[in-house]
Amino acid sequence: DTAVSQTPKYLVTQMGNDKSIKCEQNLGHDTMYWYKQDSKKFLKIMFSYNNKELIINETVPNRFSPKSPDKAHLNLHINSLELGDSAVYFCASSQGDRGAQHFGDGTRLSIL
Amino acid sequence: AQKVTQAQTEISVVEKEDVTLDCVYETLDTTYYLFWYKQPPSGELVFLIRRNSFDEQNEISGRYSWNFQKSTSSFNFTITASQVVDSAVYFCALWCYNTDKLIFGTGTRLQVFP
Repeated sequence: DTAVSQTPKYLVTQMGNDKSIKCEQNLGHDTMYWYKQDSKKFLKIMFSYNNKELIINETVPNRFSPKSPDKAHLNLHINSLELGDSAVYFCASSQGDRGAQHFGDGTRLSIL
Repeated sequence: AQKVTQAQTEISVVEKEDVTLDCVYETLDTTYYLFWYKQPPSGELVFLIRRNSFDEQNEISGRYSWNFQKSTSSFNFTITASQVVDSAVYFCALWCYNTDKLIFGTGTRLQVFP
């Protein structure tokens, strides 16, 4: 019954690898997001999609590529992982861009 | 430019004390929304409240209350009779029509001791 679920919860990998994080929401929302939370707990938006269309693309390296196969899913693929990519990544969804955003539990990515 | 300031980095209280978390925002938009989120030690982000810029009425939900004052650009959050389970990082956030995205403050870590 989880509203916004993301997998995996933990991801430990080597520098240079490629990895993906999946996100699914069952709230019927039309907008989904990816956020990055750094070690100081600062939360910053990376991407947002509305009905599978990219709306926001912050200044994120192009090694990060979101993909939305349908409005209930927004996956994040990261190529050539770097040490600085270590963070917690949160997926969120909302109804419209100003609706209350509901977050997944986060994926803690650690680069060795 | 849009900005959210949570000047209190960390607050410690003893159980049953009341505590207020401050949030000051900046925006030139007349249409905006303000939010509070809770991040407990387990790490998830929990939505607490959304308030639009045209509704200055204060809100109470159980032990939680919010005071929105446009005159001082503040949206403060008070927990009455705090409990250990209230220990968390609390984030204030701002959504503006102009930027079309949610901007978070740096968070306030609240520790409630028994």
